[in-house]
Amino acid sequence: EVQLVESGGVLVQPGGSLRLSCVASGFTFNSYRLSWVRQAPGKGLEWVTNMKQDGSEKNYVDSVKGRFTISRDNAKNSLYLQMNSLRAEDTAVYYCARDHYGASDYWGLGTLVTVSS
Amino acid sequence: AIRMTQSPSSFSASTGDRVTITCRASQDISSYLAWYQQKPGKAPKLLIYAASSLQSGVPSRFNGSGSGTDFTLTINCLQSEDFATYYCQQYYSYPRTFGQGTKVEVK
Repeated sequence: EVQLVESGGVLVQPGGSLRLSCVASGFTFNSYRLSWVRQAPGKGLEWVTNMKQDGSEKNYVDSVKGRFTISRDNAKNSLYLQMNSLRAEDTAVYYCARDHYGASDYWGLGTLVTVSS
Repeated sequence: AIRMTQSPSSFSASTGDRVTITCRASQDISSYLAWYQQKPGKAPKLLIYAASSLQSGVPSRFNGSGSGTDFTLTINCLQSEDFATYYCQQYYSYPRTFGQGTKVEVK
């Protein structure tokens, strides 16, 4: 059974940093591109970033470029999101998702990041 | 960035109804479109990819169509478990973008 489990979401002050993790199981991790997608409270979905299987390609939405960094450790079946210079507008549930021909076929339950003083 | 516009934003329907949600892209995205269903407090669920391919395990009452800039999601014979919010997403180019969502409510 495919599983994605996110962790690391907490309350953090504006300007602070946070690292999210996503541990995968039930599939060959290094065969799939993976994404982070977020959803602000009561709002729609926003794609944030993704990373190719071997880490050779990373893509970001403009609003997080230069502040967020995606990475992965294929030996640990883990995906990460380093989030720096956090802003109130980064408050959201962050989902880890597996890419399937470009769409996302499996999602984690999400982890809540709250940026507030 | 490619803008995805869904219509309507919400509507009411009854079980057994046939419902249609539309999604329009601001530029040609070929068939690089997915549809997701999301229920409150839950992660999104992939329904359709490549505009019209049904994801494994998704009931056949869900149907996707379209290409280029105009797409539709049709739910035939709406079931109680189908009341949810639906999102389209393009993956033709980066950043991948979602529509604003369409909430299907009980009439």
